[in-house]
Amino acid sequence: GEDVEQSLFLSVREGDSSVINCTYTDSSSTYLYWYKQEPGAGLQLLTYIFSNMDMKQDQRLTVLLNKKDKHLSLRIADTQTGDSAIYFCAERASRGSYIPTFGRGTSLIVHP
Amino acid sequence: EPEVTQTPSHQVTQMGQEVILRCVPISNHLYFYWYRQILGQKVEFLVSFYNNEISEKSEIFDDQFSVERPDGSNFTLKIRSTKLEDSAMYFCASRGRSEQPQHFGDGTRLSIL
Repeated sequence: GEDVEQSLFLSVREGDSSVINCTYTDSSSTYLYWYKQEPGAGLQLLTYIFSNMDMKQDQRLTVLLNKKDKHLSLRIADTQTGDSAIYFCAERASRGSYIPTFGRGTSLIVHP
Repeated sequence: EPEVTQTPSHQVTQMGQEVILRCVPISNHLYFYWYRQILGQKVEFLVSFYNNEISEKSEIFDDQFSVERPDGSNFTLKIRSTKLEDSAMYFCASRGRSEQPQHFGDGTRLSIL
């Protein structure tokens, strides 16, 4: 079945860039999402990319998609302490189920 | 920006008791979902609901679970006889048209004693 893998932790210094990586197995994945979960809160949709795109930029966020390697990354420029959270990668196929498959989440820790 | 709201934020229940988790999806959304996240684990799909019926459910969603949309705004998840392993965060989500992403609520933390 589909699987989504992420590293569990990432620690960066405030002001540096953060890069959170994700790999997935389903070659029919069409939509790939990044969600942010702050402590005690729900999943906030940050951005998503359609599989015919290589890159999407939205202010400090840049999503890169390598469809051949089934690799997705989220780059956060000028990382701030408020960016500390768990970041979930998710993918879903275009046909059949609209249910996304989530990774375990990457805990981003931003220190001064 | 409209959001999905869930109540209560934390529910503590004795094992064997029934519990109802409530959600108010975004008002013009058509598709509704429940997920759960056991502490430290992945977000797991439970059930999807469209046009007043279940459209898809996972293996987790067995006979002790049920969903309902009792009126035009609420979407509920009922667990009939709770078990210790039902302790988790439960997230409600909704979406509009087919290609739109899901929007999640802040979750209900369910603790079974």
